[in-house]
Amino acid sequence: AQKVTQAQTEISVVEKEDVTLDCVYETRDTTYYLFWYKQPPSGELVFLIRRNSFDEQNEISGRYSWNFQKSTSSFNFTITASQVVDSAVYFCALSGNTGTASKLTFGTGTRLQVTL
Amino acid sequence: NAGVTQTPKFRVLKTGQSMTLLCAQDMNHEYMYWYRQDPGMGLRLIHYSVGEGTTAKGEVPDGYNVSRLKKQNFLLGLESAAPSQTSVYFCASSLPRYGAKNIQYFGAGTRLSVL
Repeated sequence: AQKVTQAQTEISVVEKEDVTLDCVYETRDTTYYLFWYKQPPSGELVFLIRRNSFDEQNEISGRYSWNFQKSTSSFNFTITASQVVDSAVYFCALSGNTGTASKLTFGTGTRLQVTL
Repeated sequence: NAGVTQTPKFRVLKTGQSMTLLCAQDMNHEYMYWYRQDPGMGLRLIHYSVGEGTTAKGEVPDGYNVSRLKKQNFLLGLESAAPSQTSVYFCASSLPRYGAKNIQYFGAGTRLSVL
């Protein structure tokens, strides 16, 4: 069975602070994909990044960066110099290697509140 | 460039009533999914479809039925709504996993309340 754990339920930071959202996953599959989605207050789910299990390179996109470590089964997400617009619920998700459909297992989400 | 469109956006039902949620995608995706989102539980897969005319059960299928008569549409039905089905429902679509383009794109959600 697959499992995604986001232990941080809610995080509050002041604008311009850096913040890291933790994600720990469990899977028996040797090939799998990890995702991060953002859910702003408007409610829609916005895709941020996908990483496959063979690629452990960290990725940076503007103020966002992701640290994938297979040794600790973690895929953490860092926002540098946070902004109020970053306030949202962030979900980490896992897609395994069973079948052809990309069935996502989601974590419970981390609510990030960025204040002035 | 609509992407994934869900209708309706909001709905209130009485216990025992039925309804159908419609999902339409214009990205020519083979795969479509229905999830429900409940507080503190993330999103859970209800049913999914890997192509026109095919459906399969997800993690929490009980009380729901689905149909995929056309590639672009995926319907979620509640035959006899129960208060436990009060939730936010999301539809998503994707290309096949092996196509390395298996990113799921989500609709804006449908907020359903069952009284």
